Amino acid sequence: NAGVTQTPKFQVLKTGQSMTLQCAQDMNHEYMSWYRQDPGMGLRLIHYSVGAGITDQGEVPNGYNVSRSTTEDFPLRLLSAAPSQTSVYFCASSPSGNYETQYFGPGTRLLVL
Amino acid sequence: KQEVTQIPAALSVPEGENLVLNCSFTDSAIYNLQWFRQDPGKGLTSLLLIQSSQREQTSGRLNASLDKSSGRSTLYIAASQPGDSATYLCAVSPFGAGNMLTFGGGTRLMVKP
Repeated sequence: NAGVTQTPKFQVLKTGQSMTLQCAQDMNHEYMSWYRQDPGMGLRLIHYSVGAGITDQGEVPNGYNVSRSTTEDFPLRLLSAAPSQTSVYFCASSPSGNYETQYFGPGTRLLVL
Repeated sequence: KQEVTQIPAALSVPEGENLVLNCSFTDSAIYNLQWFRQDPGKGLTSLLLIQSSQREQTSGRLNASLDKSSGRSTLYIAASQPGDSATYLCAVSPFGAGNMLTFGGGTRLMVKP
């Protein structure tokens, strides 16, 4: 099993550009989520999904869109990047979303100029 | 709103020392608490998960305790090794929130040979 994979590992964007951060898991997990991590701060939840076709907002959803068309994939879209979105983004998954251990991907480091 | 605090933000100890990392949270209505390890440039790895009904969990040289009423958890690392050098994060799952974790800012640990 590859676990949770994320692409790209690093990306530089200009303000206003759009991009999609990819996340995939091969563990047949129903629950997937996106977090961002800023220096000196803990991870903050952006969006999550409890299964294909179902998504919901987390603590900091503004500026981000998600969709979940398959169990395996949970892409995160930035429609118009802003410098405030410079961060490290982590994708995580777990079997059901019921208070269990989550498995994290290696992260995508995003720099918005 | 739940807030999670980890003190100290950074810690440097000589190899072989026993050490304690602290985590405090403001709302005691949690379902569980997790400790994660994060290596530089990597994702998070779950170390221990303590249910709210439990007082502690152990894994090898790691022991995590939970005092829900006082809003505190500690991670005890015995006989520290240079390989323990990493950032340690604690996170709580509020009741009714499933896997929507609230993270602390982390403690960056360096164990010197």
